[in-house]
Formats: sequence, C-alpha cells, structure tokens
Amino acid sequence: DGGITQSPKYLFRKEGQNVTLSCEQNLNHDAMYWYRQDPGQGLRLIYYSQIVNDFQKGDIAEGYSVSREKKESFPLTVTSAQKNPTAFYLCASGGNTIYFGEGSWLTVV
Amino acid sequence: AQSVAQPEDQVNVAEGNPLTVKCTYSVSGNPYLFWYVQYPNRGLQFLLKYITGDNLVKGSYGFEAEFNKSQTSFHLKKPSALVSDSALYFCAVRDWGTGFQKLVFGTGTRLLVSP
Repeated sequence: DGGITQSPKYLFRKEGQNVTLSCEQNLNHDAMYWYRQDPGQGLRLIYYSQIVNDFQKGDIAEGYSVSREKKESFPLTVTSAQKNPTAFYLCASGGNTIYFGEGSWLTVV
Repeated sequence: AQSVAQPEDQVNVAEGNPLTVKCTYSVSGNPYLFWYVQYPNRGLQFLLKYITGDNLVKGSYGFEAEFNKSQTSFHLKKPSALVSDSALYFCAVRDWGTGFQKLVFGTGTRLLVSP
C-alpha cells in the first residue's frame, strides 16, 4: 500500500529523555513535514524538508530535531529541552496536495 | 502571512439536513485553499482543494466547497449530512513564505450530526 507510516502510535517519555518518532513514506514525495496538534490550537509546523539532506525550522522548532538522510524517511526527535511535549504529532508529505500519516501520541510520564 | 479562520468551534446538524462549515481566509496573492477531515485518534484526510477555476469545488464523500473571492470565504458544504460525517474539520491555506510551500491551518470545527 502507498502511504505515510508513523510509529509508534503511542509513546511515553520520562523527564530528561529524548525520544524519536518515525515517519516513512513510499509516495516518492520530495517534501516532508512534521506538525504538532494541541486541542483548540489546530496544527503547528515543527520542521519541514524539501529534499534529502536539507531541512528547515518551522514555527515551533525549539526542543525538536530532525534528519533527512533518505527520501523516504523523516524522523523527529523530541529532546529533553522541549518542556511541554505532550501532544499528537503528525507527519506529512506531498507536493500540490499534502497527505498525512495516522499520527503518534507522545505523553510525558 | 497567509491565514485562515474558522469562526465556529462546533456545528450541530440533524442527519439528512444540509451542512455548512465556515472558513475565511487572508492572503496576499491568489489563495490555494484546502479542507481536511480528522476522525478521533487519526491523521488528517484530504477532502478537496481550490487552486483556480470553478468556484464550486467537489471533493470526497459528497463534500463540496464554494470559493467566494469578494467575501474571502471557502465554506465546506454537503447537501445531506450523515452521522458518519461527525468529525473535526480543518481549513488550510498554502503559504509560500520564504519560497517553500507549507500549509497554515485553522483551529478546526467539530461537526456533530445527530440521528
């Protein structure tokens, strides 16, 4: 099946830990994105990448990091510097139309 | 910067009745507008988009949207609502920013369709 796969669906982070969310797409899209969703605030852009080995900060990049070593993959690391990481994280890819994965829930315990 | 506004947090409609979910936009230049739907605990699903052409855009699941340049609106519509249409709906606009296209989203409107 073609699409965008995010894993894990649920992730729990302890204080001081870094965690990585996986995003893989087989749609042959150059552009990939990470959004954060909080209740009542819509979606906010964390990072985006136009092409392999290139990525740019979005509106709320502090406390996050990414890599783009392969066209298919765009993992997001939530670092200990992110003070309020509990949210629903959405990966997306596309050109004229942007498509989304099923999302990952991150909770701080 | 480009932006969209969804003035209603929630819309209630009875099954079989027509539904409208409102969106207004603020852009410089020509707007590229999108509607997405999100079911609980799921990602966003693309419904339809307006790039250019006819002001009435048809999309998935019987939804359509009307682009109105004079009112800067892009309202989502469906002639006959289904209980299964109950979900969170997002309007979005393409922002070209520093030359890279990204989507800017509204805060979402929850649609509740009662049997």
